[in-house]
Amino acid sequence: QVQLVQSGSELKKPGASVKVSCKASGYTFTSKGMNWVRQAPGQGLEWMGWINTDTGNPTYAQGFTGRFVFSLDTSVSTAYLQISSLKTEDTAVYYCAPSADYYFDYWGQGTLVIVSS
Amino acid sequence: QSALTQPASVSGSPGQSITMSCTGTSSDVGGYNYVCWYQQHPGKAPKLIIYEVSNRPSGVSNRFSGSKSGNTASLTISGLQAEDEADYYCNSYTNSNTWVFGGGTKVTVL
Repeated sequence: QVQLVQSGSELKKPGASVKVSCKASGYTFTSKGMNWVRQAPGQGLEWMGWINTDTGNPTYAQGFTGRFVFSLDTSVSTAYLQISSLKTEDTAVYYCAPSADYYFDYWGQGTLVIVSS
Repeated sequence: QSALTQPASVSGSPGQSITMSCTGTSSDVGGYNYVCWYQQHPGKAPKLIIYEVSNRPSGVSNRFSGSKSGNTASLTISGLQAEDEADYYCNSYTNSNTWVFGGGTKVTVL
């Protein structure tokens, strides 16, 4: 069965960086693109973008360019989200969700990133 | 890409039917049959309940149904149950080869 296991919660200071991992199993990793979704406390879901797991080509949504980087290690079926120059407004739960079609049928459990001085 | 528009809240009594809307534009909801709906309980990851406007994944109750007319998609929950109390998000593919979510609707079972 498809499983997505994300790394644990992080507490970071403003200006620091964080790297969130998402390890996939139960399917061929390169057969589905990997999406990232942000949910700030008490807020809705925001699609951040996706990375083509076959070519490594990332696509970033508006508002998620510059400080956000998607990457892969296909040898261990893992996708990464790195956020640099963290701001307090980056405090959120970050989800990974693969997609082969036009929907996200599986989701990681989410990673809480807290940015606080 | 602007977020899709959903009502902030909808409520109903057990056994009733409720419908929530999701309004976009011809660049997203109206342009493609790639609207889906997610259910999210507090502290949990979202769960896909409708894909491609009206299809239910295996295991999802047939009390959930979806439709679309023009730039507006709708989710109906029939026979409302206490366990349906959750947040619901619509999502659509767009003509920019991106996805966009709605702001979410909180469903309260009275």
